[in-house]
Amino acid sequence: GAGVSQSPSNKVTEKGKDVELRCDPISGHTALYWYRQSLGQGLEFLIYFQGNSAPDKSGLPSDRFSAERTGGSVSTLTIQRTQQEDSAVYLCASSLNRRDRGRADTQYFGPGTRLTVL
Amino acid sequence: GNSVTQMEGPVTLSEEAFLTINCTYTATGYPSLFWYVQYPGEGLQLLLKATKADDKGSNKGFEATYRKETTSFHLEKGSVQVSDSAVYFCAPTNNSGGSNYKLTFGKGTLLTVNP
Repeated sequence: GAGVSQSPSNKVTEKGKDVELRCDPISGHTALYWYRQSLGQGLEFLIYFQGNSAPDKSGLPSDRFSAERTGGSVSTLTIQRTQQEDSAVYLCASSLNRRDRGRADTQYFGPGTRLTVL
Repeated sequence: GNSVTQMEGPVTLSEEAFLTINCTYTATGYPSLFWYVQYPGEGLQLLLKATKADDKGSNKGFEATYRKETTSFHLEKGSVQVSDSAVYFCAPTNNSGGSNYKLTFGKGTLLTVNP
């Protein structure tokens, strides 16, 4: 079946511009995650959505970052007034989140969006 | 929160050599433990996982055992192949505060297998 898809695959923008990154999770997966992979920081958790619950935004690095998930499916990560340190690969993942006695579900990752801020 | 200490690379081996990549973590409670792999030019893929103490995850000849007493999840393979060349990430979940879904990634270990 189809995996997690992300668009665009590459995005080059100028410092100060806003960008939107899109994620389509695997059909039927109720949990959606955003991570960031950068040379300096490695792989970092950004935000987590589960069903209609309030998202866990604890990993967002600043208030320039926000994310939405519409209709429990597609998600958009928005970065306002981009800075050069925002350059990274932004990864989306989804999972079933069956909450099996507290054990974590497997997260399936998309190919990522490579963001370059000039 | 959690932290992960993963063996630093790069690691270079000859085909059919034995592989160990060490991973230790700090955590509260009982995290689930994952190894992810990133092949050249590809996205992150799950390699194997273990969700409770003493469980052994295995896939493609790789194995790792959930050792709660030593908080370790070392990755092993008895005979590596050129196609195993990739970056390997150890990733326990951060289960503080009642959650058990945030993955905390190690820095990654680059493995190169030569023919």
